[in-house]
Amino acid sequence: EIVMTQSPATLSVSPGERATLSCRASQSVSSNLAWYQQKPGQAPRLLIYGASTRATGIPARFSGSGSGTEFTLTISSLQSEDFAVYYCQQYNNWLEDTFGQGTKLEIK
Amino acid sequence: QVQLVQSGAEVKKPGASVKVSCKASGYTFTGYYMHWVRQAPGQGLEWMGWINPNSGGTNYAQKFQGWVTMTRDTSISTAYMELSRLRSDDTAVYYCARAGTGGYLADWGQGTLVTVSS
Repeated sequence: EIVMTQSPATLSVSPGERATLSCRASQSVSSNLAWYQQKPGQAPRLLIYGASTRATGIPARFSGSGSGTEFTLTISSLQSEDFAVYYCQQYNNWLEDTFGQGTKLEIK
Repeated sequence: QVQLVQSGAEVKKPGASVKVSCKASGYTFTGYYMHWVRQAPGQGLEWMGWINPNSGGTNYAQKFQGWVTMTRDTSISTAYMELSRLRSDDTAVYYCARAGTGGYLADWGQGTLVTVSS
């Protein structure tokens, strides 16, 4: 099983600042990496797939980068609605998708 | 637009089974795999497996093999996830999610809370 490790567990950032979230895979997943945002009481929402492609309707302040085992989600200028929990997911091994444990992005 | 509408909350006793439905609309049901993901209270996301609605073929996470069954009814564009021999730690919100062309989860249902309690 591919283990996905996200860091940090909690990130405190002020509105308007940049947030950088990390995700590491225990073995290469190529670019088969997605990021999701989840707000309390809601289903997750796809933000990024293919490591760097924004999903439909996702603002340009969200960007993804990386390949292989190291990935980053960057939110360039935090808005109030961006404070949420973010998950990465690998889908390189189509027989066993796995999620990271999540990063909670909170207001500083 | 794509919509995935799941069945309502369930309360079950330990040892029972639960079957959650996920009705799809707004796209060709047989054209995209359907995944199931669960989330225990206050915890992260746990992938359970997928079903190919076209063929009915399934693939389950190793942890769930032998006690989860995913099926579909193409005539009503609905996928199902049945979990048997429920335990208290199966209390969770269960989501269905439509896969994109690459396997990422493009669209999600609203979730179904399953509570297992004696």
